[in-house]
Amino acid sequence: GIQVEQSPPDLILQEGANSTLRCNFSDSVNNLQWFHQNPWGQLINLFYIPSGTKQNGRLSATTVATERYSLLYISSSQTTDSGVYFCGGGNTPLVFGKGTRLSVIA
Amino acid sequence: NAGVMQNPRHLVRRRGQEARLRCSPMKGHSHVYWYRQLPEEGLKFMVYLQKENIIDESGMPKERFSAEFPKEGPSILRIQQVVRGDSAAYFCASSRPDRYTEAFFGQGTRLTVV
Repeated sequence: GIQVEQSPPDLILQEGANSTLRCNFSDSVNNLQWFHQNPWGQLINLFYIPSGTKQNGRLSATTVATERYSLLYISSSQTTDSGVYFCGGGNTPLVFGKGTRLSVIA
Repeated sequence: NAGVMQNPRHLVRRRGQEARLRCSPMKGHSHVYWYRQLPEEGLKFMVYLQKENIIDESGMPKERFSAEFPKEGPSILRIQQVVRGDSAAYFCASSRPDRYTEAFFGQGTRLTVV
């Protein structure tokens, strides 16, 4: 089956800094989503992005399907951005990476 | 439009008891997925259902675990004779039939086996 790798596994940022999270897939996918799991455990949809680029406020994502990777950009990070970021992809159902644990320090 | 509703949010069971986890998909969604998340780990796929059908149960343990999504009512994940290793967060997701590749998750049920 499809393997999903996320990097980096852990990231500590000063408030206001920018960051890039990466998701690599072992095979082509027809579906890719980014989620934020907040400290209360809730999974929040960030992007549905099988290909191309999308932006939502301080967050943006780019998927290059032909090269089997996706990037999540977080600009001007805030403490509320802390949590774990997961990418999920594949065909149906989603296969998840192990996540990137982000800590934003004031 | 309510999101995916899971209940209970927290469930404590003694070893050997049964656990029943419920998931009501978003309105208009007919595809349901169950995932398990162990502490400090990612989400592992368990089962994919449509109304009255199990589409893919390749991630479901062969014994003690079962799932259903009846014509009426919520999807149920049932764990019989729970053991300590079943302690985890169980997430349900749903998707639309015309865009089944985009999943929306519920808040999860945290099962603790004592």
